[in-house]
This record gives sequence, C-alpha cells and structure tokens, in this order.
Amino acid sequence: GAVVSQHPSRVICKSGTSVKIECRSLDFQATTMFWYRQFPKKSLMLMATSNEGSKATYEQGVEKDKFLINHASLTLSTLTVTSAHPEDSSFYICSARGGGLSTEAFFGQGTRLTVV
Amino acid sequence: GDSVTQMEGPVTLSEEAFLTINCTYTATGYPSLFWYVQYPGEGLQLLLKATKADDKGSNKGFEATYRKETTSFHLEKGSVQVSDSAVYFCALTPGGVNNNDMRFGAGTRLTVKP
Repeated sequence: GAVVSQHPSRVICKSGTSVKIECRSLDFQATTMFWYRQFPKKSLMLMATSNEGSKATYEQGVEKDKFLINHASLTLSTLTVTSAHPEDSSFYICSARGGGLSTEAFFGQGTRLTVV
Repeated sequence: GDSVTQMEGPVTLSEEAFLTINCTYTATGYPSLFWYVQYPGEGLQLLLKATKADDKGSNKGFEATYRKETTSFHLEKGSVQVSDSAVYFCALTPGGVNNNDMRFGAGTRLTVKP
C-alpha cells in the first residue's frame, strides 16, 4: 500500500513552546489529510480535515488557533501545536487519502508528544 | 451521523484460540468498512476492508464480512498467535463521491498468551 511518513515519532517540549509535526505522503498525492488525536486507551478523535491549498476544517471543540494545520502541497501537511501545555500531551496521528473515489486512507506512524 | 460501535475489551485469549471482535455500524448510505490494527507504540495499519455488501475482507488469517442485513462487520480469526496482540479498530467511511472522514470505533485491545 501507499506510504505515509510522520515525523517526529517522539518529541518532548517545554510548556509554552510550539511543536511542529509533519505528515508526508511518499508515493501518492494526498488531496485530503486528516489529523487525529488519541488519548490513552481511547479511540482516535478526528481533529481536523485539510485539503491541499485550502484552510483546514476543524471538528467541534478543537481550537484552530492552538492546532495550526497547513496543507501547502499534495504531499505534505503540518500540525503545529502552539503554546503547548501538559494537557496537550498525546499521540497524534495523520492520515492521507488520494483523490477521486478512493476510500482508503493511509496512516502515519504517529507522534508521541510530551509537554513538560 | 454515521458511526461504528465496537465490542469493548480487553480481550485475553490463549494461543490458537478462536477470535471474534464484534463491530456494528450505523450509516445513512453505503459505507466502506475497515479493520485497522495498532501494535504497541505504532500507528494504525490497515488489516482488511470491504466496500460493499457481502464482500469479505481477509488478511493474515483475519476475516470480516460486510453484512448489510445486520449492519455488522465482525472480525474473526481461527487461531490467534501471540504476535496478534494489539489494538483493533473497526472503522467506516461514509459512502458516496464526497468522501468524508473515517469514523472509528473505540478499539478493542487483544492480548494473546502463550
């Protein structure tokens, strides 16, 4: 299947700083990318959907000014957690889907963010 | 809206036991159905999928059949191995041209003991 690479896999940052997470589709053009957050022993919670070249659509309750999403090209989307706090510590996962009638989304490896 | 309800875990089995993880869905259209597996410390990997009624997805000894009459997509494996220990997620994407986000179940943690 197609490959989605997410980087970094782990990051520790100080409270108040910002962290950027990258999601790249390596061998296909991702017209749509999704960002999820996974709490311990819980399912994935969709945070936002981004289409290349347009603003991301955020799910209810997700602060768009805190979780900045950029999808500037067909192979790269970034999630920036701004002014991170310990409660932002979580596992963040991206997924990417090609265009047309494709229904399959390919997932990145995930990023474990720890805010200290 | 469209959603997935998945059997709660955790599930603990002995090696070579039979596995069933139940999954039912609610959808207004004709969704595609998926099972994903998440091994410890890793992201999700697609295990199998089915895109229309009566389709059977299969991979690595796992199977699931898209049952429209019971709105179910139960995951089964005849003989589990220790290496199957992971969290399994049932998911759907709503049908139609305007594909939306993927909706996940809560996940079922499977532990297989030797």
